[in-house]
Amino acid sequence: EGQLVESGGGLVQPGGSLRLSCAASGISFNYWMSWVRQAPGKGLEWVANIKPDGSEKHYVDSVKGRFTISRDNAKNSLYLQMNSLRAEDTAVYYCARHTFDVWGQGTMVTVSS
Amino acid sequence: QSVLTQPPSASGTPGQRLTISCSGTNSNIGNNYVCWYQQFPGTAPKLLICTNSQRPSGVPDRFSGSKSGTSASLAISGLRSEDEGDYYCAAWDDSLRGWVFGGGSKLTVL
Repeated sequence: EGQLVESGGGLVQPGGSLRLSCAASGISFNYWMSWVRQAPGKGLEWVANIKPDGSEKHYVDSVKGRFTISRDNAKNSLYLQMNSLRAEDTAVYYCARHTFDVWGQGTMVTVSS
Repeated sequence: QSVLTQPPSASGTPGQRLTISCSGTNSNIGNNYVCWYQQFPGTAPKLLICTNSQRPSGVPDRFSGSKSGTSASLAISGLRSEDEGDYYCAAWDDSLRGWVFGGGSKLTVL
């Protein structure tokens, strides 16, 4: 069965950086791909998405200029480079395909000193 | 404050038909399809239905979605205890150039 598997989460100090990865297997990767996050006890928040060929990207206002989404279609992989991290970025980060029809299991990012 | 507005909670008894509403604007629901997701504690969300397409395989036909103007609804018929969880609506927003979610509705089966 197809799946998405995230990795790269962890504990980081405010102002620090992390790079999340999402590997797709058994599913078509030729779709818009997104990162969606969920702060502890809170709802879902879309973070960013990227076109199948990587030529178009969109971000939620709160991460513009700090986060960068990218993909490597040869490796069926999606990435999220997160810089200048803030406490409010603390969340489980999910990668998801297209209309969020396939989700990964999520990776926790904690921003704290 | 979420762009899409959902009731924070909903409840019903087993066998009942229940609807969860999702209210937006012309830039999101009014001009794009709406999708609904189910989430249980500690797990990733799961796509239930989008208003422009059929249910994904494995989603019971007890779940249905509809849209009218700038509002959408998720209907659950024959409510079961295993339906307890959180439900989210989402749509693409043309003005924000991004996906927007509702705040989520916690469903309780009494």
